[in-house]
Amino acid sequence: KNQVEQSPQSLIILEGKNCTLQCNYTVSPFSNLRWYKQDTGRGPVSLTIMTFSENTKSNGRYTATLDADTKQSSLHITASQLSDSASYICVVSANSGGYQKVTFGTGTKLQVIP
Amino acid sequence: EPEVTQTPSHQVTQMGQEVILRCVPISNHLYFYWYRQILGQKVEFLVSFYNNEISEKSEIFDDQFSVERPDGSNFTLKIRSTKLEDSAMYFCASKGPGETQYFGPGTRLLVL
Repeated sequence: KNQVEQSPQSLIILEGKNCTLQCNYTVSPFSNLRWYKQDTGRGPVSLTIMTFSENTKSNGRYTATLDADTKQSSLHITASQLSDSASYICVVSANSGGYQKVTFGTGTKLQVIP
Repeated sequence: EPEVTQTPSHQVTQMGQEVILRCVPISNHLYFYWYRQILGQKVEFLVSFYNNEISEKSEIFDDQFSVERPDGSNFTLKIRSTKLEDSAMYFCASKGPGETQYFGPGTRLLVL
C-alpha cells in the first residue's frame, strides 16, 4: 500500500532559525515528489517538485532533497519567518497504468514564534 | 497571476440534499482534480478528469459523487445525497503541461 509518513508532526521554532522536515514514502513506481505549504483553511501551494533523477531543488529559502534509494525527502527552511507558520505536506505520485496515483502525507505543522 | 477559483467558499446543507461545488480552473489547463480534507485529517484524492472523462478515481468517489465540465470554463463536483461524513473542505486543482497542480482556495461543506 502506498504510504507517505512525515515527521515531526509539529514543530515550534524561533524566528530566524532554520529547520528541516522529513518525509518517508513507500510509493511505487515513483513518479515525483512535491512539497506543499498549506495555510490554515486554504488550499495547498506548491513549493518544489522533484523527479527520480533530482537530488535537490531550491525555491527561495526552501530547499528540498530527495534520496530515491532510501525513499526519503527533506524540506529545509532557512532563516524562518513568521509567515512560514503553516502545514507542510509531502505528496508522492506513482505512475499506474498511464495515470498518476497521488498520496498525501499527514503534514508537519510548523509554528514560527518571535 | 492566474489562479484556480472555487465557489461557494462555504456551504451548509441538510443531510440527504444534493450539493454542487464549482471550480474555475486556470484557463489553459487540461487536467482537473477534486480532493477533500476532513477537519484535522490529511488531504485525500477523489478524482481526476481529462479530455472530458474521469481518468482516475479513489475508493471515496462512489456513486453519490459525479463530476462534470459543463462548459469551457467550469468544473463541478456533485454530491447527490449528502451524508454527515461528507463534511469537509473540498479542493479543486488544475494542471497544465507541467507537473505542478494548482489548488483553489477550497469550499468548506458542512452537512447537518
